[in-house]
Amino acid sequence: DAGVIQSPRHEVTEMGQEVTLRCKPISGHNSLFWYRQTMMRGLELLIYFNNNVPIDDSGMPEDRFSAKMPNASFSTLKIQPSEPRDSAVYFCASSYQRPNEQFFGPGTRLTVL
Amino acid sequence: GQQVMQIPQYQHVQEGEDFTTYCNSSTTLSNIQWYKQRPGGHPVFLIQLVKSGEVKKQKRLTFQFGEAKKNSSLHITATQTTDVGTYFCALLSTGGGNKLTFGTGTQLKVEL
Repeated sequence: DAGVIQSPRHEVTEMGQEVTLRCKPISGHNSLFWYRQTMMRGLELLIYFNNNVPIDDSGMPEDRFSAKMPNASFSTLKIQPSEPRDSAVYFCASSYQRPNEQFFGPGTRLTVL
Repeated sequence: GQQVMQIPQYQHVQEGEDFTTYCNSSTTLSNIQWYKQRPGGHPVFLIQLVKSGEVKKQKRLTFQFGEAKKNSSLHITATQTTDVGTYFCALLSTGGGNKLTFGTGTQLKVEL
């Protein structure tokens, strides 16, 4: 199995630019999660989907962040416009069903200048 | 919401010494999971505990769930350099969803 796939692995952009992060979950998993990790705030859940439907987006920082899951094999996290404080590692994870383990992707390291 | 306190925040040990990290919740838990994240890596699932007082072992790692299901611990016997990383506990939401709330993590450094 390829595991959870994320792209890009690294992204450097300038403040104000749009950033799109992509995730392909493990085939057959029906839950997908987006996390953000920083030294200050630790590992935070931004949003998660069950069967492609957003269930809990209470962790999304503000309207600049949006996430979609158009089908079971693809999800995006978009930041528009990006700000320096968005710099972090963004992880995507997937799982089969409650309460099974979550499988994390390698992450996208985002730097906003 | 659920609050997760994990202590200590950092731990430096000499190779061969033991290590323990503790996870405490303000509410009774349905289950708890533990993850390890190597430096520069991503969190990797270690184990899940469900039953009150449960103890599980994986080689040198011992995981325990408290009797009241409000706390948990991870103990590593005779640490090795391969144990370096950050250990997170994660609490499953009680509302029926799949949401995990991660603890603040304990960063372990092992010196030769």
